[in-house]
Amino acid sequence: AQSVTQLDSQVPVFEEAPVELRCNYSSSVSVYLFWYVQYPNQGLQLLLKYLSGSTLVKGINGFEAEFNKSQTSFHLRKPSVHISDTAEYFCAVTGTSGTYKYIFGTGTRLKVLA
Amino acid sequence: DTAVSQTPKYLVTQMGNDKSIKCEQNLGHDTMYWYKQDSKKFLKIMFSYNNKELIINETVPNRFSPKSPDKAHLNLHINSLELGDSAVYFCASSQTSGRVEQYFGPGTRLTVT
Repeated sequence: AQSVTQLDSQVPVFEEAPVELRCNYSSSVSVYLFWYVQYPNQGLQLLLKYLSGSTLVKGINGFEAEFNKSQTSFHLRKPSVHISDTAEYFCAVTGTSGTYKYIFGTGTRLKVLA
Repeated sequence: DTAVSQTPKYLVTQMGNDKSIKCEQNLGHDTMYWYKQDSKKFLKIMFSYNNKELIINETVPNRFSPKSPDKAHLNLHINSLELGDSAVYFCASSQTSGRVEQYFGPGTRLTVT
């Protein structure tokens, strides 16, 4: 079974500042990892995914994440945020075999301040 | 064209009623899902169908019954609605069971009074 922990429920940051949203996971098997974004009153949209290969993954809207197997982490970063990045961000994990059930973290609300 | 669509977007009903939420995807995917997002934004899978076959059935009350008439549609019927059923319900689809990304619908906000 897998689990996901997003330690920060809210992250306020000023516009054009860098941001890191933390995600740690637990699993007894190999995993695939994802970051999704949810804008107000909308569904979830994939930002990026790690399936295999390079541990640094680049996604849409200038976001990137690094898979760290030894620290079981998959933190999301952006060097310079915009007001439009204000949203809820979810980390998700699934095992690489079996029913591939996604486990989502509890979400981090990113609030970009002017 | 909307990839994953849900109807209705909002649903307000009284306790004890029966209601359905419909989901359709035009992506040609063979796996579909229902998620429940509570007031604290916690997102939890409820069901998953692969080619009309139920493959994930979480600990969900029997009042919830999914139905997949074909692989492009996954409906959710809820009997005897309770206050605790109030949430946003999301439908999603993926190309295979799991590993690749899931595409989410816009959600249905269910309010039980």
